[in-house]
Amino acid sequence: GQNIDQPTEMTATEGAIVQINCTYQTSGFNGLFWYQQHAGEAPTFLSYNVLDGLEEKGRFSSFLSRSKGYSYLLLKELQMKDSASYLCAVSLTGGGNKLTFGTGTQLKVEL
Amino acid sequence: GAVVSQHPSWVICKSGTSVKIECRSLDFQATTMFWYRQFPKQSLMLMATSNEGSKATYEQGVEKDKFLINHASLTLSTLTVTSAHPEDSSFYICSALGRLPIYEQYFGPGTRLTVT
Repeated sequence: GQNIDQPTEMTATEGAIVQINCTYQTSGFNGLFWYQQHAGEAPTFLSYNVLDGLEEKGRFSSFLSRSKGYSYLLLKELQMKDSASYLCAVSLTGGGNKLTFGTGTQLKVEL
Repeated sequence: GAVVSQHPSWVICKSGTSVKIECRSLDFQATTMFWYRQFPKQSLMLMATSNEGSKATYEQGVEKDKFLINHASLTLSTLTVTSAHPEDSSFYICSALGRLPIYEQYFGPGTRLTVT
């Protein structure tokens, strides 16, 4: 089966930096997505990695190491509105672009 | 990004009745859509892949006769929960598959189903 793990909860301070890790063991790999989801709302796309390395997008960056089955999402200059669930999702080879989601990390940003 | 809508946004129904949820891609044609369900404080679980003009592909453990999916056009997929029971109460989210280069999924706002 597919296994995608994330920490369940994290707490960070406004203005700080937080790193949310995602480890995966899947049968095939065709890219990794990060989504943000506020309670009761749809997930919104944050980033995509298919090659090893760092992708930067404003306050958000995402890193991938395919050999280690590891990714992280880095959030800088945290704001209160960043309090949300962050979902790591893997697209599998030959999976018809289906996504298998990780357990999700609930991030709470405090003053 | 692309816009996907869902209707209704919430619905309450009695046990034993059926409920239809619509998922529309508003500004692009989506040959493939996906249906997920999400229980409180849990992640998204893929239920099925909906392909325009063909039968849906269901994930293991999802009853295809209970969760009927129809993808009749390039902009509309529907999920019908038949003979709903309280355990079917959940947040149902659809997504539409984008195109190259990354085949991003665009998610709808979700439908909260409560079965009493």
